[in-house]
Amino acid sequence: ETGVTQSPTHLIKTRGQQVTLRCSSQSGHNTVSWYQQALGQGPQFIFQYYREEENGRGNFPPRFSGLQFPNYSSELNVNALELDDSALYLCASSLGGLATNEKLFFGSGTQLSVL
Amino acid sequence: KQEVTQIPAALSVPEGENLVLNCSFTDSAIYNLQWFRQDPGKGLTSLLLIQSSQREQTSGRLNASLDKSSGRSTLYIAASQPGDSATYLCVTSGSRLTFGEGTQLTVNP
Repeated sequence: ETGVTQSPTHLIKTRGQQVTLRCSSQSGHNTVSWYQQALGQGPQFIFQYYREEENGRGNFPPRFSGLQFPNYSSELNVNALELDDSALYLCASSLGGLATNEKLFFGSGTQLSVL
Repeated sequence: KQEVTQIPAALSVPEGENLVLNCSFTDSAIYNLQWFRQDPGKGLTSLLLIQSSQREQTSGRLNASLDKSSGRSTLYIAASQPGDSATYLCVTSGSRLTFGEGTQLTVNP
């Protein structure tokens, strides 16, 4: 158990809809990052939040957005869903942001299917 | 832009064999390199983290090495067991986190 929980575990949406995924960080961690993992591929970095501010972003369009709350839990929002958004979405928590030597602790992911 | 490559993409070995998984990266300006294990449809479990100033890390039957100058890391698994069957991912931490595509390992009883 990593102490990082994600909800829901599975989700089915239709093209054009909006979705919100949630992540609770491990206690004491102030950094959360989100990843998209398509079937058979490695995770792709979406963005990272450190103390409630976005401080790193991968090559994802603006319809992927996020929030981090004062308790360091986080949301990933995706607008105007496309079929290619179908993937496993993972969040990870850590202490101190990207430029550190802290381990990442991952949740079990949300499997999103867009029909 | 950092690129991380893992070889082989898949590996099948008999139980008890020692094996090596390879990871190469193009940008040596990294803070650390981590190896993770991923079981089907699940999140990632951290196995080893090697800081940029370190050469290797060990945990039980696992040993990971890092050669920044050549852009290479290896994960050595001793006396493999069926429970080691999973996908193994390496990830570099620099200006952003970059994952390899993974090596899918199957250890046959």
